[in-house]
Amino acid sequence: GAGVSQSPSNKVTEKGKDVELRCDPISGHTALYWYRQSLGQGLEFLIYFQGNSAPDKSGLPSDRFSAERTGGSVSTLTIQRTQQEDSAVYLCASSWRTGGFTDEQYFGPGTRLTVT
Amino acid sequence: SQQGEEDPQALSIQEGENATMNCSYKTSINNLQWYRQNSGRGLVHLILIRSNEREKHSGRLRVTLDTSKKSSSLLITASRAADTASYFCATALRSNDYKLSFGAGTTVTVRA
Repeated sequence: GAGVSQSPSNKVTEKGKDVELRCDPISGHTALYWYRQSLGQGLEFLIYFQGNSAPDKSGLPSDRFSAERTGGSVSTLTIQRTQQEDSAVYLCASSWRTGGFTDEQYFGPGTRLTVT
Repeated sequence: SQQGEEDPQALSIQEGENATMNCSYKTSINNLQWYRQNSGRGLVHLILIRSNEREKHSGRLRVTLDTSKKSSSLLITASRAADTASYFCATALRSNDYKLSFGAGTTVTVRA
C-alpha cells in the first residue's frame, strides 16, 4: 500500500516568508508525528497528533511553528517568518498506536527546507 | 537533547563481512528501535525491541538489548553493498513512549 507522503520534497524560501509543509499519513494510522533533522541537532521530535488533537507540542522550537491535522488524516506544519536556522529536513511519520501501545513509526521521504 | 548515542560514528567493511554498531542511552525506556536512512532522506524501520526482550532477529539483522547496561547492539550479517546507509537507534521512554529520541547515527559503508 501507499506509504507516508510529504510535499513539497524541496522548498527554498527567503528569510521572513511563511512556509507550509504537508504530510499525508498511511491510511488508517491514528497517530502522526513531525520530526526535524538538521546537521547541528540531529533528529528532533517536534509534535505528536493522536487523531486531530496534539497532546504533545513540546518539541516545537518557537511560536513561529504551528501544526494542525484535519479529518484524522492530512497534517500541515507551518513556519512563520522563517529564519536561516529553520533550514533542515522535516520528516513526518505515522503509526497505528491503537490501545495506547507503542508501535513502529513509518516515515515519509521528508521535505528539505532551505531558508536563504 | 539526544537520549541515544551510537558507536562507532562510521564503519567501513567489505561485502560479506558482519557489521556491528552499538547504542547507549540514559534513562529507562519502554522500547528501542533501529532505523536505516539512505541519502539523508526517509527513515526505514528495521526492528523494535521492548524493554522486557533481550534479543530479536529479522532476516540478516540481530538486535540485542541490555537494560542493566542501558545499551543495545545491531548486527548486520553477510553485508551487501545495499546495506550502505546511516543507522539510527531511537528510544521511546516509559513516560511518553510515542516520542522517539534518536542518536546521531552510525554511517556504514559496505565496499564491493
